[in-house]
Amino acid sequence: EADIYQTPRYLVIGTGKKITLECSQTMGHDKMYWYQQDPGMELHLIHYSYGVNSTEKGDLSSESTVSRIRTEHFPLTLESARPSHTSQYLCASSWQKDEQYFGPGTRLTVT
Amino acid sequence: QKEVEQNSGPLSVPEGAIASLNCTYSDRGSQSFFWYRQYSGKSPELIMFIYSNGDKEDGRFTAQLNKASQYVSLLIRDSQPSDSATYLCAVNQAGTALIFGKGTTLSVSS
Repeated sequence: EADIYQTPRYLVIGTGKKITLECSQTMGHDKMYWYQQDPGMELHLIHYSYGVNSTEKGDLSSESTVSRIRTEHFPLTLESARPSHTSQYLCASSWQKDEQYFGPGTRLTVT
Repeated sequence: QKEVEQNSGPLSVPEGAIASLNCTYSDRGSQSFFWYRQYSGKSPELIMFIYSNGDKEDGRFTAQLNKASQYVSLLIRDSQPSDSATYLCAVNQAGTALIFGKGTTLSVSS
């Protein structure tokens, strides 16, 4: 059973606000990922990390940043939220064989 | 451009039937293959992984891999209404993040 947590689960926020979505895992996985997914649509990789102090941008251009200061923690920050950021954000982690385990997700609405 | 292709569906099967979900991938260097199940509004859940050619069985689920044809499939035997979900195929080559297909929606009618 995967132990990966995301907070908040739901967030409604106004345009222009800075927000941080939290993701933590207790499995000691080196690799962590952030995906964006609209309802009924495909997953888009927005950021990933293969270890502490290592971060990479994914395929989806996004006005977001990530940090990886601790193995277990991989927060995603939006400096200035826009209505186009309204989506579900999914965090995942994996070990050597790349079996990714997903957190429950954060559903973000920007008004 | 590495690609993973799935029919979007919906694939409709009656309860008790075998559901067959298919996936093709473009990168011959791919080494690991995964099937995820995603219920509406929920996050993807890993249900099967396969690394070698052939079949791998786990309960009602069988994953099949044919690297020569660049083809991976998932069979669900004795399909139940609770199997109704979107099934995502994911493929990995060493050193890269998983590449997900767009998913196939399965509907099992009682």
